[in-house]
Amino acid sequence: NAGVTQTPKFQVLKTGQSMTLQCAQDMNHNSMYWYRQDPGMGLRLIYYSASEGTTDKGEVPNGYNVSRLNKREFSLRLESAAPSQTSVYFCASSPPGREGRNEQFFGPGTRLTVL
Amino acid sequence: AQRVTQPEKLLSVFKGAPVELKCNYSYSGSPELFWYVQYSRQRLQLLLRHISRESIKGFTADLNKGETSFHLKKPFAQEEDSAMYYCALSGRGYSTLTFGKGTMLLVSP
Repeated sequence: NAGVTQTPKFQVLKTGQSMTLQCAQDMNHNSMYWYRQDPGMGLRLIYYSASEGTTDKGEVPNGYNVSRLNKREFSLRLESAAPSQTSVYFCASSPPGREGRNEQFFGPGTRLTVL
Repeated sequence: AQRVTQPEKLLSVFKGAPVELKCNYSYSGSPELFWYVQYSRQRLQLLLRHISRESIKGFTADLNKGETSFHLKKPFAQEEDSAMYYCALSGRGYSTLTFGKGTMLLVSP
């Protein structure tokens, strides 16, 4: 099992460009998440998908869109990148919620720089 | 609203010294608390969760509902413990996590 995979690993964009970050998991998990990690800010939830066909906003959704393509894949799109979106982006997934068993499994991250 | 506070950005100790990484939370219901760890150039991974009451790599954490704390402790730090540690909270029955801002632990020889 590869677990949670993300592509690309690194990306440099110019302000105004668009791009899609890809995430896939092979653990048959229902829920998937996108976070951004910034120095001194910890991890902040951008969007999540509790199950295939549903998506919900997290703490910092502005400037992003998501697509839950199928159970395995959850993509994050930046329509018009801004320097404030320079960050490390993590995708995560978790199995159906069981009390106290809400472990999330993380991907390796995508380091995005917007010039 | 739920909130997780990790008051220390950086904790620097010598090998063999005790370690305590602080975590306080704010949540109106019954929370689930977790500690995640991120070693250099690696992905985040779960270290431990309060409901399991387990010890992983010598670390323990006890949920204190009176003080709304979930501090992470280890009696004797090792150099390989150097990493970023995140405390996280989930509402019972919910899947989303709220993370603290993280504490970088540096263990010197």
